[in-house]
Amino acid sequence: QQPVQSPQAVILREGEDAVINCSSSKALYSVHWYRQKHGEAPVFLMILLKGGEQKGHEKISASFNEKKQQSSLYLTASQLSYSGTYFCGNKAAGNKLTFGGGTRVLVKP
Amino acid sequence: DTEVTQTPKHLVMGMTNKKSLKCEQHMGHRAMYWYKQKAKKPPELMFVYSYEKLSINESVPSRFSPECPNSSLLNLHLHALQPEDSALYLCASSQGLAGMNTGELFFGEGSRLTVL
Repeated sequence: QQPVQSPQAVILREGEDAVINCSSSKALYSVHWYRQKHGEAPVFLMILLKGGEQKGHEKISASFNEKKQQSSLYLTASQLSYSGTYFCGNKAAGNKLTFGGGTRVLVKP
Repeated sequence: DTEVTQTPKHLVMGMTNKKSLKCEQHMGHRAMYWYKQKAKKPPELMFVYSYEKLSINESVPSRFSPECPNSSLLNLHLHALQPEDSALYLCASSQGLAGMNTGELFFGEGSRLTVL
């Protein structure tokens, strides 16, 4: 089951904040976040394994609400390098990682 | 070495051709994956190998045939493809074992396939 991401796209000025949401109608066993820049491979940002867990990667952090079957990614004080498409992924048993539709982020100077 | 290497980077083939995509990693990972990605879409899982055995096939048409000759190599054999199969094919590996909810995926840069 593919997780649902929102918004589909966001445009920011450098230094602004943004939130990307990821939800699933089925249980989220663990949530993975990846960023893919144009023409490049997806790059791992973080994994959230437990309900309520929050992780951080530089000024990018995430939370995981197991009950609501939701995860949120927080881009704080965004930098130009944050531009790209962010994917959340729901990891089920058997090493099956299913990605959400993606959120395109553009950070402008 | 934290790289996943894919060759070729670009491939153009006709519908009657037979070609192969190759993927290699030397991180000691025991799970390897093929994903297909169309423009502006997320990567879609095709196959998962765990300990060199096929553990997941996402109902992929038989014109795609995966092979895992050893723990470092993953191939995708292509035969009688259709133009709609044109896409970026991404290989990935992870340390995570089947059934465990861990495992960062390391992606290669992909092979961009065009089917004429």
